[in-house]
Amino acid sequence: KQEVTQIPAALSVPEGENLVLNCSFTDSAIYNLQWFRQDPGKGLTSLLLIQSSQREQTSGRLNASLDKSSGRSTLYIAASQPGDSATYLCAVGDSNYQLIWGAGTKLIIKP
Amino acid sequence: DTAVSQTPKYLVTQMGNDKSIKCEQNLGHDTMYWYKQDSKKFLKIMFSYNNKELIINETVPNRFSPKSPDKAHLNLHINSLELGDSAVYFCASRPHISGANVLTFGAGSRLTVL
Repeated sequence: KQEVTQIPAALSVPEGENLVLNCSFTDSAIYNLQWFRQDPGKGLTSLLLIQSSQREQTSGRLNASLDKSSGRSTLYIAASQPGDSATYLCAVGDSNYQLIWGAGTKLIIKP
Repeated sequence: DTAVSQTPKYLVTQMGNDKSIKCEQNLGHDTMYWYKQDSKKFLKIMFSYNNKELIINETVPNRFSPKSPDKAHLNLHINSLELGDSAVYFCASRPHISGANVLTFGAGSRLTVL
């Protein structure tokens, strides 16, 4: 049974720092992996989608990597801004389009 | 225009009541989902419909009954509400294209059962 873990559960850093969020999964037979952002009252926003055959995806200041063999993904945020404060969720997708979610990392960027 | 909209956003009710949460998407997607986010922030899939047909039905009490009158709507009806039903419920949709696993989520509906 697939399990997804995100570490740390919470992170607080000063504005301008680069940071890394971690996601690990127990079964390497995944279809893809997504990173989401959750803002209170605004639902979930998909940030990056990495297919199982890919190693990384980039969007602006965000870079997500995938290492299936070790069961790990990282979300790198460059030059963090207060607007990046949110909960970041990692979700592993299987071939039936089901998503298995981590519990999230609550990120606070201090001005 | 909101792509996936859920109503109500907040719902406070007594144990034993019956309530519904509605979801509508204007993206032309074929597949819609209901997820439940518990107090530990885990999102668990409850149901999935493709073109009004139920395709995923996870282990959910039969007090929960989804209804899809058309492919743009997926409503969730809950009978005899219990304290443990308190959670945020998210609706999502995606196009029925092979490999397209990018979901669009609604803002969530926070249900509090007293």
